[in-house]
Amino acid sequence: NAGVTQTPKFQVLKTGQSMTLQCAQDMNHNSMYWYRQDPGMGLRLIYYSASEGTTDKGEVPNGYNVSRLNKREFSLRLESAAPSQTSVYFCASSYLNSNGYTFGSGTRLTVV
Amino acid sequence: AQSVTQLDSHVSVSEGTPVLLRCNYSSSYSPSLFWYVQHPNKGLQLLLKYTSAATLVKGINGFEAEFKKSETSFHLTKPSAHMSDAAEYFCVVSDRVSGNTPLVFGKGTRLSVIA
Repeated sequence: NAGVTQTPKFQVLKTGQSMTLQCAQDMNHNSMYWYRQDPGMGLRLIYYSASEGTTDKGEVPNGYNVSRLNKREFSLRLESAAPSQTSVYFCASSYLNSNGYTFGSGTRLTVV
Repeated sequence: AQSVTQLDSHVSVSEGTPVLLRCNYSSSYSPSLFWYVQHPNKGLQLLLKYTSAATLVKGINGFEAEFKKSETSFHLTKPSAHMSDAAEYFCVVSDRVSGNTPLVFGKGTRLSVIA
């Protein structure tokens, strides 16, 4: 049982390049989330998808776009990467919030 | 609106001594509360959760937390720290009435365990 799978695990981008972070879950969860983690800041929500076909902005959406491709997959796109987007990105999914989230192992992104 | 405050950014204990990580929450409705643990360079793992059943919740690896509504607290404890407990710990709150409104995370407490 894979849970939540994120790819890639590591990435280095040059300023202005674009890339898509992939996330897939095999638990039939309705909701999926993208967070970024920076030292001393905890986890900050970028975007989420409460159900297939819907997406909503979180706390820090600027510079990002998302696509809920189907119930399993939720991708995060950086159209023009900036050094401020250097961070560790986590995808998570849930069936009900009362059960908590299942997290992927993260993508460590460096923008130079 | 819901929020969570972890009162210590860093806690250091000696191996074999008790652990106390403090968390206060604010919620308009009956909350669900969670503790997650993150070991270095790893993802987040659910440690325990409170969802309105027993107020003393037991989790993995000997950790437990007590929900105290009068104090709006959900502190995490362990009787005896082990070196493997060194990690980042996050307190998390959810309003159970609000369906799938995203969980709110605290900023984390880094636990160091000294041999």
